[in-house]
Formats: sequence, structure tokens, C-alpha cells
Amino acid sequence: EPEVTQTPSHQVTQMGQEVILRCVPISNHLYFYWYRQILGQKVEFLVSFYNNEISEKSEIFDDQFSVERPDGSNFTLKIRSTKLEDSAMYFCAITQGSNQPQHFGDGTRLSIL
Amino acid sequence: SQKIEQNSEALNIQEGKTATLTCNYTNYSPAYLQWYRQDPGRGPVFLLLIRENEKEKRKERLKVTFDTTLKQSLFHITASQPADSATYLCALPSPFSGGYNKLIFGAGTRLAVHP
Repeated sequence: EPEVTQTPSHQVTQMGQEVILRCVPISNHLYFYWYRQILGQKVEFLVSFYNNEISEKSEIFDDQFSVERPDGSNFTLKIRSTKLEDSAMYFCAITQGSNQPQHFGDGTRLSIL
Repeated sequence: SQKIEQNSEALNIQEGKTATLTCNYTNYSPAYLQWYRQDPGRGPVFLLLIRENEKEKRKERLKVTFDTTLKQSLFHITASQPADSATYLCALPSPFSGGYNKLIFGAGTRLAVHP
């Protein structure tokens, strides 16, 4: 049973549209991550979020991306104007502490048409 | 920059045998290393974490070794079963992220266990 639930499981969107991907941890965690995996490629880091702030982001995480914890439990990833190359699986991950395992959700498959 | 290499070819083994997967890394010394299982269309599932001061770690039929001199980790599944068929990912913490490190993943090795 994953420690995080991600919604939706599959999102199909027209290029240029905004999407919001959601992550709900089962228990209270402070440290969150978003990763993505383009079909057939490695899992790659996007952003980490600690104490309601971005702590690190990759070069992929440009101005089109943003993260939030709008209500203290949900954790969201927004892509403002989607591009074809944003099509991928997006995974949320959490950790309970420093140098501890990261636990992943089952992801959202994002398809940009 | 850090590099992680896993066997790119699929590993095919007979049920009951031991599967051994390799993870090699270069250009730094991680404090720990993690192994994950990933099934098609699913997220990575955490299996084992081994720290730099641990040579070996076991969990049921799984065993992980960590050789910081060779910069290599081996992942073993003993008495393998068809249900063990999946892609297995090696992941290391980035050296630049402090305690709550982002993970750098290998490309994974696909394991197929045949009855």
C-alpha cells in the first residue's frame, strides 16, 4: 500500500493548457518530492519541497512549473502551459527524515496532445 | 557528474534460481544506496536501503551488498519466483542536497523469471 495517493491516475490535455497534479500523503510528512519518468527513460528529479518552500529544483523545473501545499495536506504540481514534451509519468515521493527511504506514489500519467 | 550504471539488458532466469543485479556508480561516495522495484505503469516501490558502513543487508529473500571501494552494489533475489519479474532500480542520493537528498536513479534492469 503506497504511502501517498496521486490523482488523477491519467490526465489527457491539449498542448498549452494548464494541468494540476495532486499528491496526498497518508500521514503527516514534511518533505516532498516530484519526479517524472518519460516513457522508456530514467526516473528524474524535478523538485523538492520542505517546510512549505522549494528546497531544490532541477533544470527541468522552469517557470512553467510550480508546487504548492494549498491546505497543509495536499501537495500539488502545476504546469501552466503544457508542451508535448511534458508527456510523462509524474511521481510524488515523501520521506520521514534525513537519509531515510523515499516512498513513491503510483504516479499520474500525463498525455499532452 | 555522478553516473549510475545498471545492466541494460534484461536478465532472464529460471524459477528457483538466484538473480543477481549490479549497480555501479562513479564520481562520488554516497552515504547510502537504495533499491526499488518498478512494475509497468506503476511507481517505484522501496525495497532496501544500505548505508556506507554496512556491507550487507537482508530482507526475506532479498540481499544487498555495498562495496564502497569498488563503487558497486549487488542485489540478490534468492529462490526467485515469476512474481519477482519487474524492473529493479538502483538510486543514490545526490551529494549536493544535504540530508533530504534528491535521488539519482539508474536506468534499471528488467528481470524476467520463467517457470
